[in-house]
Amino acid sequence: GALVYQYPRRTICKSGTSMRMECQAVGFQATSVAWYRQSPQKTFELIALSTVNSAIKYEQNFTQEKFPISHPNLSFSSMTVLNAYLEDRGLYLCGAGPAGQNTLYFGAGTRLSVL
Amino acid sequence: GQQVQQSPASLVLQEGENAELQCNFSSTATQLQWFYQSPGGSLVSLLSNPSGTKHTGRLTSTTVTKERRSSLHISSSQTTDSGTYLCAKTSGGNYKPTFGKGTSLVVHP
Repeated sequence: GALVYQYPRRTICKSGTSMRMECQAVGFQATSVAWYRQSPQKTFELIALSTVNSAIKYEQNFTQEKFPISHPNLSFSSMTVLNAYLEDRGLYLCGAGPAGQNTLYFGAGTRLSVL
Repeated sequence: GQQVQQSPASLVLQEGENAELQCNFSSTATQLQWFYQSPGGSLVSLLSNPSGTKHTGRLTSTTVTKERRSSLHISSSQTTDSGTYLCAKTSGGNYKPTFGKGTSLVVHP
C-alpha cells in the first residue's frame, strides 16, 4: 500500500534556530508533495505544493525564505523551518500524491515546539 | 469565506449511538476526502468520495456534488472513534486539498 513517513515525529527547538523535517513516500511515486501546518486551534494551512520537475509554489503568507523545501526525487521531500519562533509551533504534515490521481497520502506529521 | 465548512463543531455520544457529520463546500470539488485525526495528531484517510455513496466498515459517506455537500455517517460508535474528523476538498488537478475545521467527536463508554 501507499505509505508516507515523516520524521522526526516530535521536535523542540530554541527560538531563532532552525528545524528540518523529512517526508518519505513508500509504495508509490510522490509526484506531488504538499506541506501543511496545523497551528494550535487552527485548521490545516497549506504552506506549499511541490511537483517534481516544476517550481515549488508557496501559498500566501508562506515564503521560500522561511520554509525552504527540497523535493529531489519521487520518494523524498524535506522542509526546513528557518529562524523558528513561537508562531511556528504546530503540527507539520506532508501529503504526497502520485501522478494521475487526485489524492494525497498523509504522514503522521512532525510536531514542532519552540522554546 | 471558509471554502469548506463542517458541522457540528463538536459532538458527544454514548457508545453505540450513530453519528452524522456534515461537510459543505463553496465551489466544485473534483475530490472529496474524509480524514480522521487522532488525539495525537496523526492524520488517516478514511474515504475518498467525490460523488455518490461509499461504505467502509461502519463508515458511510454520501456526497451530492451538485449541492456541494458531503456527509459521513458513523454507525454504532465506539470509544476508539473519538478524535477529529476532517473533510477536505480538491478542485481541479492541483493536489491541494482544502480542509475544513473539523468535527471533534467524543464517544463515552
